[in-house]
Amino acid sequence: EVQLLESGGGLVQPGGSLRLSCIASGFRFSDYDMSWVRQAPGKGLEWVSTISASGTSTYYADSVKGRFTISRDNSKNTVSLHMNSLGAEHTAVYYCAKSISGYSTAFQHWGQGTLVTVSS
Amino acid sequence: DIQMTQSPSSVSASVGDRVTITCRASQGIRSWLAWYQQKPGKAPELLIYGVSTLQSGVASRFSGSGSGTDFSLTISNLQPEDFATYYCQQANSFPLTFGQGTRLEMK
Repeated sequence: EVQLLESGGGLVQPGGSLRLSCIASGFRFSDYDMSWVRQAPGKGLEWVSTISASGTSTYYADSVKGRFTISRDNSKNTVSLHMNSLGAEHTAVYYCAKSISGYSTAFQHWGQGTLVTVSS
Repeated sequence: DIQMTQSPSSVSASVGDRVTITCRASQGIRSWLAWYQQKPGKAPELLIYGVSTLQSGVASRFSGSGSGTDFSLTISNLQPEDFATYYCQQANSFPLTFGQGTRLEMK
């Protein structure tokens, strides 16, 4: 069974930093692109970032480019999102998502999400 | 960036009804379209990808169609567990983008 378990969310002050992590199990992690998708309170889904299976390619939404960094450790089955210079607009539930085999830009499995609240 | 526009934003229906949600892309995305269902307080779940390929375990009353820029999700014989919010997503190119969502409510 595929499981994605996010951690690292919480309350952070404006301008602060946070690192989200996602531990994966139940599949061959190193074969799949991984992504982060977020959802602000009461709003829709917004793609944040994707990292290729090997980790050599990364992609970011314009809204986070230069502030967020996605990374992965295939030896530990983890994907991380480092978030810097956080503002109120980054308040959201952040979901870790696994791609589909042969269809890497859609999200077959999702974690339960971790809430990031940016507030003073 | 490719913009995805869903309609309607909300729809009311009854158990047993047939409902269609449409999604329009601002430019052609070939067959790179997925649909998700999200219930309150839960993570989204993949329903369909590649326009019409049903994710394993998804009920056959869900179906997808379309090509190019115009797509649709149809739910036949609505069941109580289908009342949720539905999102389309273009998977053609980065940045990946979602529609704004369609809330399916019980009449």
